[in-house]
Amino acid sequence: QSALTQPPSASGSPGQSVTISCTGTSSDVGGYNYVSWYQQHPGKAPKLMIFEVSKRPSGVPDRFSGSKSGNTASLTVSGLQAEDEADYYCSSYAGSNNFVFGTGTKVTVL
Amino acid sequence: QVQLVQSGAEVKKPGASVKVSCKASGYTFTIYYMHWVRQAPGQGLEWMGVINPSGGSTSYTQKFQGRVTMTRDTSTSTVYMELSSLRSEDTAVYYCARGGRGKMTTVEYWGQGTLVTVSS
Repeated sequence: QSALTQPPSASGSPGQSVTISCTGTSSDVGGYNYVSWYQQHPGKAPKLMIFEVSKRPSGVPDRFSGSKSGNTASLTVSGLQAEDEADYYCSSYAGSNNFVFGTGTKVTVL
Repeated sequence: QVQLVQSGAEVKKPGASVKVSCKASGYTFTIYYMHWVRQAPGQGLEWMGVINPSGGSTSYTQKFQGRVTMTRDTSTSTVYMELSSLRSEDTAVYYCARGGRGKMTTVEYWGQGTLVTVSS
């Protein structure tokens, strides 16, 4: 199972929006509505931000939103804030009790 | 509140085995799958496998087949991950991470991580 492909980096100024892509195949991202997104600050454990493509866990700001089209999922962070600077990873269920993460994207708030 | 508390850091020699524990609390242990994920220094997240604490069934990613064993003890709400034949490339932070209710399609909560260092 190959890792899902994410851009290495993305950036935006405070208040702007940034969108991160996550590209897989029809066997993972495209085959199931089980894409999740995680935020990880340096030295910390990841935190779930989006699950099942577009659902937000309790406590996650509505500035974070997710979507999917075909084999590519996307995470959009609107109204960027300094604390949004972190690494972001996507994941997808890949069938037959398999699971896969993305390669990760470092988001910088300029 | 959900808590996943992992065992402490380990230093192992190449060829040895390591067993990391993860004690769960704050929820019904047997209802939620538990994933194991690792992160090498400066690298991304890598899924290793998952265990269903209810019956103990497991699924491992092909890369670790034959080297990893995941088990659970329902009496103490603890899951274990043992990795054998360690090599330097196995140096990483290992996380236990709880899945969703009755399914493994996401990771809802993460342990604090356990650093395993493999060095001669």
